Amino acid sequence: DGGITQSPKYLFRKEGQNVTLSCEQNLNHDAMYWYRQDPGQGLRLIYYSQIVNDFQKGDIAEGYSVSREKKESFPLTVTSAQKNPTAFYLCASSRLRGEKLFFGSGTQLSVL
Amino acid sequence: QQQVKQSPQSLIVQKGGISIINCAYENTAFDYFPWYQQFPGKGPALLIAIRPDVSEKKEGRFTISFNKSAKQFSLHIMDSQPGDSATYFCAASMNDYKLSFGAGTTVTVRA
Repeated sequence: DGGITQSPKYLFRKEGQNVTLSCEQNLNHDAMYWYRQDPGQGLRLIYYSQIVNDFQKGDIAEGYSVSREKKESFPLTVTSAQKNPTAFYLCASSRLRGEKLFFGSGTQLSVL
Repeated sequence: QQQVKQSPQSLIVQKGGISIINCAYENTAFDYFPWYQQFPGKGPALLIAIRPDVSEKKEGRFTISFNKSAKQFSLHIMDSQPGDSATYFCAASMNDYKLSFGAGTTVTVRA
């Protein structure tokens, strides 16, 4: 059953803490993306990767970091530098220069 | 600064009615315009998409109308059903990557 798996579904961050959101895909897609969704603001691109060991900043990369060590995995770390981390985080993948994005079910991150 | 402006923010329609969502863009280099549908607690899913070489595309009850000169495109949901209640996002991109999304429209279909 192909798709994108995000975990955990809910995550809580304490002040000054880094947290990592997991994203795994078994669609054999080359490109992977992280989006942040806030109410009334749509989806904003944080980082994207088109190939293993390479990634680029999106529109709102400050306070976030990523890695792409394997084609299947694209974890996102929300660092303590991100002062307003509460949001719904969505991971997506596509064929390289593909038209269709496939999204995971998201992770809701909240601050304690 | 949002590259794609979407309206309205929300709309309510009776079952069987027509839902219309509008989007406008500024970047004339955009060449791909998809619409995504999102149910609560889930990720968005591609609904329908259009390229600028056609003015209209229809898939079932969903139609995209595209006006290149006005830099606008819209989604029409015909014969709206309660199962269509969701948030709809328009988007645009150049060369098929780095989608820029609109702010979203929450559609509620009343039975």
